[in-house]
Amino acid sequence: DAKTTQPPSMDCAEGRAANLPCNHSTISGNEYVYWYRQIHSQGPQYIIHGLKNNETNEMASLIITEDRKSSTLILPHATLRDTAVYYCIVRVSASGTYKYIFGTGTRLKVLA
Amino acid sequence: DVKVTQSSRYLVKRTGEKVFLECVQDMDHENMFWYRQDPGLGLRLIYFSYDVKMKEKGDIPEGYSVSREKKERFSLILESASTNQTSMYLCASSMEALSSYEQYFGPGTRLTVT
Repeated sequence: DAKTTQPPSMDCAEGRAANLPCNHSTISGNEYVYWYRQIHSQGPQYIIHGLKNNETNEMASLIITEDRKSSTLILPHATLRDTAVYYCIVRVSASGTYKYIFGTGTRLKVLA
Repeated sequence: DVKVTQSSRYLVKRTGEKVFLECVQDMDHENMFWYRQDPGLGLRLIYFSYDVKMKEKGDIPEGYSVSREKKERFSLILESASTNQTSMYLCASSMEALSSYEQYFGPGTRLTVT
């Protein structure tokens, strides 16, 4: 199974872009990259996902390198409410469906 | 609004007790999952189910079993709880789709085994 590697923690100033990196060097061609975040005492919440192309939604942008060995989640204008643990995930095939392989997460602290 | 609920937010059990953790989803999802979350280890998959009465082992199934008798309900069972099963347990569900496979998570149950 593919595994992901993330820095354990990062700080970002409020209003600035937060760029969260993830390495997934063993990812296979049909495996998607997902990002979730978890705010204290809640379950993880979906942010964005992608396969090859860069993706953008109302929350974030996902940049995937051409060789797909790494990706970056970008929060364009971080707010204090974005303080959370961010998980980079690879979705892999499993019996009858798919499963997530979670990284250990990056704890992002947005500073006022 | 999509919803995954778990029977308890906090649970304290004694070593050797049989423990049931219940999860219910109201989205008619085919897939359901149980994870445990421990500091420094992220989320690890215990068991999952892609249909009623179907169950598959995840990455750390030892010491656990599951039951899925109805589509909306997925139960995690600790046959004989041990202290190393003290953890946060998270349930999730998803529909089956090739390109979009968002999992919806419940709030979690923090289990302490003494």
